[in-house]
Amino acid sequence: EAQVTQNPRYLITVTGKKLTVTCSQNMNHEYMSWYRQDPGLGLRQIYYSMNVEVTDKGDVPEGYKVSRKEKRNFPLILESPSPNQTSLYFCASSLGTVIGEQFFGPGTRLTVL
Amino acid sequence: QKEVEQDPGPLSVPEGAIVSLNCTYSNSAFQYFMWYRQYSRKGPELLMYTYSSGNKEDGRFTAQVDKSSKYISLFIRDSQPSDSATYLCAMSDGGLTGGGNKLTFGTGTQLKVEL
Repeated sequence: EAQVTQNPRYLITVTGKKLTVTCSQNMNHEYMSWYRQDPGLGLRQIYYSMNVEVTDKGDVPEGYKVSRKEKRNFPLILESPSPNQTSLYFCASSLGTVIGEQFFGPGTRLTVL
Repeated sequence: QKEVEQDPGPLSVPEGAIVSLNCTYSNSAFQYFMWYRQYSRKGPELLMYTYSSGNKEDGRFTAQVDKSSKYISLFIRDSQPSDSATYLCAMSDGGLTGGGNKLTFGTGTQLKVEL
């Protein structure tokens, strides 16, 4: 089944404790992206990648890091999480790098205390 | 001012009603327009994908884009309780200003279709 998977689905952590949210797609997609979803603000792009080893900032990159060492994986790293990073996070991927349907993962709900 | 404005609702309609959802936007570079449906505790799933102005129909769903007014709509005919979800509009400029396939979303409209 073609899909985007994320782990973990739910995470409660404390300020400053490094964490990684994994994202994997099995569709051989070129483009991958991370969004966060907050009430009243909608989905906002954090980082994106157009290919292996090619990543760039989105609209809200502060406090986040990403890497793209393999085509299928695009982990999101929070090196020192803070309470304002409490949010619902979605990974997405698309075959095209500039156009085309984006497929979304199921989401990761993160709470930083 | 947000680039994409969408009424958050909630919108409550009886089963069988025609539902109209819409978004306005300010960025004239947007040329690809999408509607996503998001059920509670799930990721968004694509409903409609259109390019430039015009209409597109798929079953009970019709998407309209009016680029001159910077206004897009989604119509749902014969609405069903299973249509109850949050509907998100999304737009992209096709990579014209960098960012690749970046989507800019509205905040979503919560729809409830009642029996």
